[in-house]
Amino acid sequence: QVQLVQSGAEVKKPGASVKVSCQASGYTFTTYSISWVRQAPGQGLEWMGWISGYNGDTNYAQKLQGRVTMTTDTSTRTAYMELRSLRSDDTAVYYCARLNQLEIGYWGQGTLVTVSS
Amino acid sequence: SYELAQPLSVSVALGQTARITCGGNNIGTHNVHWFQQKPGQAPVVVIYRDRNRPSGIPERFSGSNSGNTATLTISRAQAGDEADYFCQVWDSNTVVFGGGTKLTVL
Repeated sequence: QVQLVQSGAEVKKPGASVKVSCQASGYTFTTYSISWVRQAPGQGLEWMGWISGYNGDTNYAQKLQGRVTMTTDTSTRTAYMELRSLRSDDTAVYYCARLNQLEIGYWGQGTLVTVSS
Repeated sequence: SYELAQPLSVSVALGQTARITCGGNNIGTHNVHWFQQKPGQAPVVVIYRDRNRPSGIPERFSGSNSGNTATLTISRAQAGDEADYFCQVWDSNTVVFGGGTKLTVL
């Protein structure tokens, strides 16, 4: 079965960077893209971007351009999301998800990133 | 950019039918997915590609999509259906979410 397992919670100071990992199993990693989605406390879902598992192509949400980088390591079937210059309003649960136009979407368990001085 | 509009909240009496709408320009031309999210948990798909139900999701959950509105229908609502529900589409190579609807079962 498809599983996405994320790294653990992080606490960061404003201005720092955070890198969250997402290890996939149960399917051919290079066949699908991985999206990253975040959810601030009590808020809705915000799409951050996606990365192709096949060739590493990316498409980032305009709002985060210049602050976010998504990468993959196909040898370990792992996707990474790095967010730089953290601010307090980046405090959120960050999810990786395998979202596809036609197929069932699968989500990781989420990673809480807290930005606080 | 493409936008999806959902009501903030919907209430339904126990055992009755709840309908949650997702509005978007010509949304009927998009494949709509619906996710259920309970507090402290990751979203889980309940309907994919407009009207398809994954294994393990009760038949009480159904979906439709036409014109400018997609609808998630929950029949014979149970207390365990109380959750936030999000619609989602792909548009111009980006993922778009509705703002989410809180379903309360009375």
